[in-house]
Amino acid sequence: EAQVTQNPRYLITVTGKKLTVTCSQNMNHEYMSWYRQDPGLGLRQIYYSMNVEVTDKGDVPEGYKVSRKEKRNFPLILESPSPNQTSLYFCASSFRTHYDQPQHFGDGTRLSIL
Amino acid sequence: QKEVEQNSGPLSVPEGAIASLNCTYSDRGSQSFFWYRQYSGKSPELIMSIYSNGDKEDGRFTAQLNKASQYVSLLIRDSQPSDSATYLCAVTFGSARQLTFGSGTQLTVLP
Repeated sequence: EAQVTQNPRYLITVTGKKLTVTCSQNMNHEYMSWYRQDPGLGLRQIYYSMNVEVTDKGDVPEGYKVSRKEKRNFPLILESPSPNQTSLYFCASSFRTHYDQPQHFGDGTRLSIL
Repeated sequence: QKEVEQNSGPLSVPEGAIASLNCTYSDRGSQSFFWYRQYSGKSPELIMSIYSNGDKEDGRFTAQLNKASQYVSLLIRDSQPSDSATYLCAVTFGSARQLTFGSGTQLTVLP
C-alpha cells in the first residue's frame, strides 16, 4: 500500500529534550515536506526537500532541522524543543514533474512540549 | 509575498444543496492549484487539482480556475453530511514551486 508513515503519532515531552519525528514514504517520491498545523493558522511549511541531499527552508524553519540521506526518509529534528513548538505535524511527499503533483500526507504527529 | 486567502466560515448548507468555496492567491505566476479536504484530527486528502483556466469536474466536485482574477473555487453539488469538513486551498509559488495553504473553510452540511 502506498503511504507516508510518521512516527510517533503522539508525543508528550519536556522543554529542551531533543526529539526526532521520522517520516518514510514507499512511493519513490522525490519531493518531501514537513508542515505544522495550528488553530487559525492553517498548514505552514517548515522544511522541504526536492531530492536526496537537497533541503530548503519553508516559511517557519526556526527551531527545526531536517536531513535527506535517503530518498524514502525525511526526519524532522527538534534539537531543543520549546512549548511554542506544540503543534500537529504532517509529513508529505510527491513526485516532481513538469506539473506539480498532489502531495500525499502522513497521518500526523501530535507533539506537546511542556 | 505568498498569500492564499479563504473565507474561514463556518459555511452551512442544507443537504442536497450546492456548496461554494472560494480562494484567492497573490502570485500571478502560480501554476498549480489544489483543494484538500480535512476531517477534524485527520490528515488532508486531495479532492481536486487544477492547472489551467476553466472548469474541471470529478463526480460531485467542480474546481474552477481564473488566473486573470487570481481565484480558484470548489463547488460541491448534492452536498452530503459526510462532506462536512474543513476545505483547504493550496497554491504553488515561486521557482521552487513551494506549496502554500490557505487557512481553510469549515463546511457543515445540515441533514
